[in-house]
Amino acid sequence: EVLLVESGGALVQPGRSLRLSCAASGFTFDECAMHWVRQVPGRGLEWVAGIGWGGHSIYYADSVRGRFTISRDNAKNSLYLQMNSLRSDDTALYFCARVPPGFYTYMDVWGKGTTVTVSS
Amino acid sequence: HSALTQPASVSGSPGQSITISCTGSSSDIGGYNYVSWYQQHPGKAPKLIIFDVTYRPSGVSVRFSGSRSANTASLTISGLQAEDEADYYCSSFTSSSTLAFGGGTKLTVL
Repeated sequence: EVLLVESGGALVQPGRSLRLSCAASGFTFDECAMHWVRQVPGRGLEWVAGIGWGGHSIYYADSVRGRFTISRDNAKNSLYLQMNSLRSDDTALYFCARVPPGFYTYMDVWGKGTTVTVSS
Repeated sequence: HSALTQPASVSGSPGQSITISCTGSSSDIGGYNYVSWYQQHPGKAPKLIIFDVTYRPSGVSVRFSGSRSANTASLTISGLQAEDEADYYCSSFTSSSTLAFGGGTKLTVL
């Protein structure tokens, strides 16, 4: 079964850092680009960042560029999101999502998400 | 502020067809064949239902179809069923090599 499981979400104060992880299983992880997408409860989806299968092609939304870093460890079948200088508007449910091999522009498998709350 | 514009809500009766529009620009929808659509039920993760403008993933009902005209993409659901009631999001690749989502459309089956 293809599975993505996010972890690392927490309640954190503004200005602090947090690292999210996404454990992948059931498919060849190093063949797939990956994305992080977030969703404020009751609101829409917002793309956060994407990374190519080899980790060399990386892109960010303007809202997080310079504060967030996406990375991956193909040996551990894991995706990460390092979030620094957190703000209240970063509060959301964070999903990791898989892209089918050979593609980049859509996501066919999603995790259930991990919740980040930024509040003093 | 979403990069892509969708109607906030649409509704239809069982058996009818509805269409959800998604308007962008020549820098996203109009510039690439990379429009996708996602269905999201409350408390669930999004589910891919259309990719590359018109293609359906395996297992997705043929009642779902996608199209595009200039800078506007559309999702059509025919033969509406109660289980189609959900939120729908469009997405497009952009000229900045990023992805953009629409604000989402809530579909109500009357």
